[in-house]
Amino acid sequence: SQQGEEDPQALSIQEGENATMNCSYKTSINNLQWYRQNSGRGLVHLILIRSNEREKHSGRLRVTLDTSKKSSSLLITASRAADTASYFCATPGGTSYGKLTFGQGTILTVHP
Amino acid sequence: GAGVSQTPSNKVTEKGKYVELRCDPISGHTALYWYRQSLGQGPEFLIYFQGTGAADDSGLPNDRFFAVRPEGSVSTLKIQRTERGDSAVYLCASSPMGGNNEKLFFGSGTQLSVL
Repeated sequence: SQQGEEDPQALSIQEGENATMNCSYKTSINNLQWYRQNSGRGLVHLILIRSNEREKHSGRLRVTLDTSKKSSSLLITASRAADTASYFCATPGGTSYGKLTFGQGTILTVHP
Repeated sequence: GAGVSQTPSNKVTEKGKYVELRCDPISGHTALYWYRQSLGQGPEFLIYFQGTGAADDSGLPNDRFFAVRPEGSVSTLKIQRTERGDSAVYLCASSPMGGNNEKLFFGSGTQLSVL
């Protein structure tokens, strides 16, 4: 079963625009991660935000976490065609080790 | 190697056959994970190794699926009597110690097609 649910399922924007993706989860967590996947193959880690953090930045990425609403958002600013990919949020599986539960993902298409 | 390596990248087999998928993690990473991803879905956890032992195999769908990591590095996912429903991308990942705040490093996956 998958804990996270991303919204929207698909997003289509023009280069230069910002892209916002949302993730909701069900159980208490101590961190949440975002991954990117190109062409349905290997995933690449983007950013990890801990439960005691509300916002985190990495380059053009901004992630927020609201533990009271059990939700997170990923904002990509000044998008580029190369940002076209699927984006997944992932949360720990409820134990002390690094097993992750992934959402269904948001497919982002950035048009040049 | 520099990253997680999975072989083969593509595997086509017939229903009922046996297949083995290989994963070579990042050197020194003690934690290794297998995930399965169907089209349009997120990765689904199968099994987690800490060293040589399977610390959590709760995601294996049935007893046709088995994985080993005999020397604590390379892992093999074995599927017996394959079914068409087993068709998916099988992803392997590793992390340094398997801690709760570690990021996973993924391989490029094996696309398994059962005809």
